Amino acid sequence: DIQMTQSPSSLSASVGDRVTITCRASQSISSYLNWYQQKPGKAPNLLMYAASSLQSGVSSRFSGSGSGTDFTLTISSLQPEDFATYYCQQSYSAPWTFGQGTRVEIK
Amino acid sequence: QVHLQESGPGLVKPSETLSLTCTVSGGSISSYYWSWIRQPPGKGLEWIGYIYYSGSTNSNPSLKSRVTMSVDTSKNQFSLKLSSVTAADTAVYYCARHLNQGSFDPWGQGTVVTVSS
Repeated sequence: DIQMTQSPSSLSASVGDRVTITCRASQSISSYLNWYQQKPGKAPNLLMYAASSLQSGVSSRFSGSGSGTDFTLTISSLQPEDFATYYCQQSYSAPWTFGQGTRVEIK
Repeated sequence: QVHLQESGPGLVKPSETLSLTCTVSGGSISSYYWSWIRQPPGKGLEWIGYIYYSGSTNSNPSLKSRVTMSVDTSKNQFSLKLSSVTAADTAVYYCARHLNQGSFDPWGQGTVVTVSS
């Protein structure tokens, strides 16, 4: 199985801050990397697919980059509705696997 | 807009079989892959398996021997059976559609399944 490791596991930030979350794969996954946002009690919501493509309807303050084994999700200016847990997921090979999550909290 | 809804018992006894159904509305189940994903309380996400509308399946090797999936295109539904459950199978179970490059969108709202006697 491909292991996905996110860092940090949690972070505290203020509204308006630029936030970056990192995801590392245990082997190369090309650009088969997706990002999700999950709020408490809700299902995950797709933000980015193919590492850098913004899902329809998602705010342009979210962006993604990377290929191979190292990827980042950036929130350009953190908004109150962005406080949530973020997961990366590889879709290079089954079994599809997720990172352990990064919790973004209010400072 | 495609909407997914999970249904099934919220409580299952140890050693019994967990059975869930996902109903797809607002679109056809045909021509897509459909997955089950679960999330134990306070933990991360685990992919269980997928089924294609034609009936072909693939599941996580960690669960493969216990997982059975089926599809009913006439009802726009697909189902999951997980046998010989233990407390470790307690989780929120989600169904989701495969989309661009293997991403999952949309997801159902999730259903809580507790394994307890």
